[in-house]
Amino acid sequence: GQNIDQPTEMTATEGAIVQINCTYQTSGFNGLFWYQQHAGEAPTFLSYNVLDGLEEKGRFSSFLSRSKGYSYLLLKELQMKDSASYLCAVRSGAGSYQLTFGKGTKLSVIP
Amino acid sequence: DGGITQSPKYLFRKEGQNVTLSCEQNLNHDAMYWYRQDPGQGLRLIYYSQIVNDFQKGDIAEGYSVSREKKESFPLTVTSAQKNPTAFYLCASSMRGDSYEQYFGPGTRLTVT
Repeated sequence: GQNIDQPTEMTATEGAIVQINCTYQTSGFNGLFWYQQHAGEAPTFLSYNVLDGLEEKGRFSSFLSRSKGYSYLLLKELQMKDSASYLCAVRSGAGSYQLTFGKGTKLSVIP
Repeated sequence: DGGITQSPKYLFRKEGQNVTLSCEQNLNHDAMYWYRQDPGQGLRLIYYSQIVNDFQKGDIAEGYSVSREKKESFPLTVTSAQKNPTAFYLCASSMRGDSYEQYFGPGTRLTVT
């Protein structure tokens, strides 16, 4: 079976740094994606990791450890507009292109 | 402008009626997907299609049907057999290949009473 765990909710202060963790147990692994979803809107792609290590993209970074089944999304210099849900998704089978999503972490940024 | 469109944004139906949600993309993507999102739940895959005239069941296909007659279009029918059809439905598409992200449409919120 496939299992992806993320914290349900987090709160952080504007200007701060926040780390959102994701652990996964899947039958295979072929990449991990992070998406941002504002309430009532479509998810938008943030990052992709398939090899161990850190991928940096502006204020957002994502880390992967395949041996530990672990990833995190790091958001720096938080802004009010970063208040959203962050979805971790794993592609477990090569060639199928399917993603299995976690339940998402709702981040609230406060002044 | 390339993208994915879903219509309508809000849809209301009576119990017992079938309803079809539309999804169109002009990104020239081969693969298309349908997800359902409920409060407190992750996105769950209903059906996906990797190529025209071919589609596979996802994790929660019961009570749903799809067709893929054109590359651009992947309509989803919610049948009366679906026990809890009220949900937010998201369509997505991607290029074929493991490293490619999925692009999502704006979603259709279906309410069945």
